[in-house]
Amino acid sequence: DAGVTQSPTHLIKTRGQQVTLRCSPKSGHDTVSWYQQALGQGPQFIFQYYEEEERQRGNFPDRFSGHQFPNYSSELNVNALLLGDSALYLCASIQSGEIQETQYFGPGTRLLVL
Amino acid sequence: AQSVAQPEDQVNVAEGNPLTVKCTYSVSGNPYLFWYVQYPNRGLQFLLKYITGDNLVKGSYGFEAEFNKSQTSFHLKKPSALVSDSALYFCAVSPLRNTGFQKLVFGTGTRLLVSP
Repeated sequence: DAGVTQSPTHLIKTRGQQVTLRCSPKSGHDTVSWYQQALGQGPQFIFQYYEEEERQRGNFPDRFSGHQFPNYSSELNVNALLLGDSALYLCASIQSGEIQETQYFGPGTRLLVL
Repeated sequence: AQSVAQPEDQVNVAEGNPLTVKCTYSVSGNPYLFWYVQYPNRGLQFLLKYITGDNLVKGSYGFEAEFNKSQTSFHLKKPSALVSDSALYFCAVSPLRNTGFQKLVFGTGTRLLVSP
């Protein structure tokens, strides 16, 4: 049973560039959430995708956008990168429709903005 | 708005001793409560959760947590610590909402250091 996978594992970009991160959910899951974990902090919710639509959004600017594909995989796009965007980006998946849900996390993509 | 507090940045315990990692929460309505563990350069691993029912929840690797509604706490415990338990522990809360709309709010994390 494949867990949540993310790619790439590491990424280095410069200010102003754009980046795309990818996530494949755990088998059987249809909902994907993205979190940003800055150094020394807890993960912060960015947004959640279900049925190819953004369903919830945290307190992040419009530079952060996403997409979900028919196979439930997802992308996180960040435009006009800032130094402060350097963080570990975590993807989590969950199966909607279950009463007692658990979000399972991928290993993360570590983004460094120079 | 919901929030989680983990008052200790670090907890030190000797191997074989019991450990407690503290968590308090603030959320309107009934909460979902979670504990996750993060090892260096890894994602978050699920340990246990409280949804409803018995206040004592048992999870992976011998960990357990006690939900205390009056004190709005959800402390993580283990009777006998192992060196391999050394990691970063996160408490998280999600309000009880419609299925699939779970949004986790995390604490700042507590680093557990178990010495041999």
